[in-house]
Amino acid sequence: DAGITQSPRHKVTETGTPVTLRCHQTENHRYMYWYRQDPGHGLRLIHYSYGVKDTDKGEVSDGYSVSRSKTEDFLLTLESATSSQTSVYFCAIRPGVLKPQHFGDGTRLSIL
Amino acid sequence: ELKVEQNPLFLSMQEGKNYTIYCNYSTTSDRLYWYRQDPGKSLESLFVLLSNGAVKQEGRLMASLDTKARLSTLHITAAVHDLSATYFCAVDIGGSEKLVFGKGTKLTVNP
Repeated sequence: DAGITQSPRHKVTETGTPVTLRCHQTENHRYMYWYRQDPGHGLRLIHYSYGVKDTDKGEVSDGYSVSRSKTEDFLLTLESATSSQTSVYFCAIRPGVLKPQHFGDGTRLSIL
Repeated sequence: ELKVEQNPLFLSMQEGKNYTIYCNYSTTSDRLYWYRQDPGKSLESLFVLLSNGAVKQEGRLMASLDTKARLSTLHITAAVHDLSATYFCAVDIGGSEKLVFGKGTKLTVNP
């Protein structure tokens, strides 16, 4: 186990509310990623980080922001949640050069 | 923009049969990954393919990479029920450490 913990695991909230998802790793890996998974779309990259305070956008970043103030935590924030952001969110880390990304258990987010 | 296409998206097969899943991608890359996902679970890494002609095998699964054709295959030999899952290929965007995933192939192996 690469030591990735996502919290919460499940969340139901209302449109317009802010939501923050947390990804915590225990092994000091430099690269961390946030993906969303929707039926028919596979996984799509939202944002990623290549170090403390170093982040960049992925292909579906609109409506999301991220922060990484310390190596072990990567936060994903939906400033004002919309129903289109209902999804399963996965955090991943890259354990090393040319190694496959390792995924957390996911957060199921429902926005009503 | 890198596009990754998998086919088929759905595959129902009988135990004991062989089949191949295809992963095509649109721009040059020599890093390709295969993952497996069981329903309601996370993704599990299966294979890492890092050069043209790379071939990896694990049990009844064999993956290969042809960078010139921009094609990877995942071959299933003598399928068993335990292989039922969704399989994803993912391509590295030119060494950027970002992955683009295919939409996945949902495999069902029937007795």
